[in-house]
Order: sequence, then C-alpha cells, then structure tokens
Amino acid sequence: GAVVSQHPSRVICKSGTSVKIECRSLDFQATTMFWYRQFPKQSLMLMATSNEGSKATYEQGVEKDKFLINHASLTLSTLTVTSAHPEDSSFYICSASKSTYEQYFGPGTRLTVT
Amino acid sequence: GNSVTQMEGPVTLSEEAFLTINCTYTATGYPSLFWYVQYPGEGLQLLLKATKADDKGSNKGFEATYRKETTSFHLEKGSVQVSDSAVYFCALKRQETSGSRLTFGEGTQLTVNP
Repeated sequence: GAVVSQHPSRVICKSGTSVKIECRSLDFQATTMFWYRQFPKQSLMLMATSNEGSKATYEQGVEKDKFLINHASLTLSTLTVTSAHPEDSSFYICSASKSTYEQYFGPGTRLTVT
Repeated sequence: GNSVTQMEGPVTLSEEAFLTINCTYTATGYPSLFWYVQYPGEGLQLLLKATKADDKGSNKGFEATYRKETTSFHLEKGSVQVSDSAVYFCALKRQETSGSRLTFGEGTQLTVNP
C-alpha cells in the first residue's frame, strides 16, 4: 500500500509554454501533498504544501504565480509550471501523507525546458 | 530552526565493506528521524525511521539509532552490496502530524564496487 505516482515521468517543453505535472495517491487518501524540487546532486527543496480543497502554502522564495498548485481531491494534486524557462529545468518530486506522519514519495518528473 | 547535516560524499566502497554515513541534527522539541534512499532517476523511498530517543530503526541490513545526547542518527550497514549504490538522505520531522514538513540533509552518494 501507500503508492504515489507521478505523470509524466519526463517532459520536454519549449521556453514560454506551460507544463502540468500530476501527483496521485493510488491506494490511499492523502490529506496533505508536498511538492519538492531537486537540482542535480543536491537535496530536495520543499516548494509548497497543499491540503485538499484549500490553497497551497508556498515556501519563501517560491513564486506562486509561476508554480501553480491545485489539490482538487484527496488523491490528486497538480503542479503547473507556467511560462517555463530553461532555469526551471529540474527534477520535481511530490509526496503524499495520510493520517499517519509518514510521507510517501512519487518517482519524480524530469522537466527539461529548451 | 531545524537542520540536518550529513557527511559529505561521495562515498566509494568495495562490496562487503562496512558502511557508516554520519547524520547530525538541530531541532527543538523531539523530532522523528528518517533515512531515505534514492536510486538513480527515481523518487525517494523510506529506508528506516525512529521516533524517539534510543529507538533503533532497521531495514534491509541498514540500522540507525536515535541518539539524543549527541543529536545524531548515523546510518550503518555491516556488509554493503553493489545494489546499495544510491543517494542516502537523512531527514527530520518535528511534529507527529501529516501536515508537518520534512527537513532533509544534503544527501550522500554511495557507490559500491564489485
């Protein structure tokens, strides 16, 4: 149990376009979902925390208008990178948490902006 | 604030060697402590955890003991395998609730040669 999926696993988009990444909890209801960004050979940087049906809480320095997070249901959260630029290229990882304190991580999405 | 410090990598070992990856933390209160493993191109997987002082987490031959007196949670394995090659992250979580964030260390790259 406690499987989290992400789609797509890899995406290449052109500069100026928007791209949406989905995070799904497959076999449990996630009260909270988290979005992380990971640069090569670096640790995970928390971008935002979202609870179902409410606005996401963004970390300091993360542009909420650029990284749109929607948590429409207890099993789905989406991250939309708007007007993407090459510096947005990164590995994006989501995690989901249910009633216990443990976070379950998705496999990640590699975004490349050309 | 909370922080986690891991020994710098990369760490390169021969198969069947003994592994130690040091992790120390700074936190108020009584955090829970975690080790996560990330295989190439994948998300994070929980390796082991400990929720209170003197607890020992163990999984797949890996062990770590929550030492409050030294604020440490060092990861050990008696005999590593090539398949253990991955990046290891130490993390802490302050509150025993689903909505509270994880604070990660920088990650330590482990390579095990046959």
